[in-house]
Amino acid sequence: NAGVTQTPKFQVLKTGQSMTLQCAQDMNHNSMYWYRQDPGMGLRLIYYSASEGTTDKGEVPNGYNVSRLNKREFSLRLESAAPSQTSVYFCASSATANTEAFFGQGTRLTVV
Amino acid sequence: GDSVTQMEGPVTLSEEAFLTINCTYTATGYPSLFWYVQYPGEGLQLLLKATKADDKGSNKGFEATYRKETTSFHLEKGSVQVSDSAVYFCALSGGRGSTLGRLYFGRGTQLTVWP
Repeated sequence: NAGVTQTPKFQVLKTGQSMTLQCAQDMNHNSMYWYRQDPGMGLRLIYYSASEGTTDKGEVPNGYNVSRLNKREFSLRLESAAPSQTSVYFCASSATANTEAFFGQGTRLTVV
Repeated sequence: GDSVTQMEGPVTLSEEAFLTINCTYTATGYPSLFWYVQYPGEGLQLLLKATKADDKGSNKGFEATYRKETTSFHLEKGSVQVSDSAVYFCALSGGRGSTLGRLYFGRGTQLTVWP
């Protein structure tokens, strides 16, 4: 049961570098999400995709872009990493909007 | 807009103690309510859910009842174990004031259970 798979699990970037976080789900879910988790802040939504072909901004979209490549895959790109983007990033998916979400294991990103 | 407020903790208990983590929400319409659990180094897992008023969600000895009159969804367990040590998140979705597709999370409550 793969569920939601994120890669990589850990990453260290230098300020200004770019990278893409990959996410794939095998549950045929329509909706996918990217969250970041910071100490004391809970989870904050970066972007989400209610269905294939659509994406929308969440609470904290600045500095990020997303691509819903197909129904399975939803990637998050940092074009020019900043230390403020040091965080743990979680991808999630749900069958439809407003149903329970299933989470990946997370990517721990450090920007130095 | 919709929001969730939960007891921030940390909460420290001895094994077999009774647990309550408070969660209240603000929402228009009829949201669904969830409790998620996060074990160290892992992603969030759904613990239980309730989709309408007076529903009781339950799983692994944990329970929460959807109370529309008090806008609450408090998590309870009668006898905690060391293995319950984790961070617990209350969440909602689907209220009329919700952005479509968004889960609204509380800030999480760290629970530590000592043997």
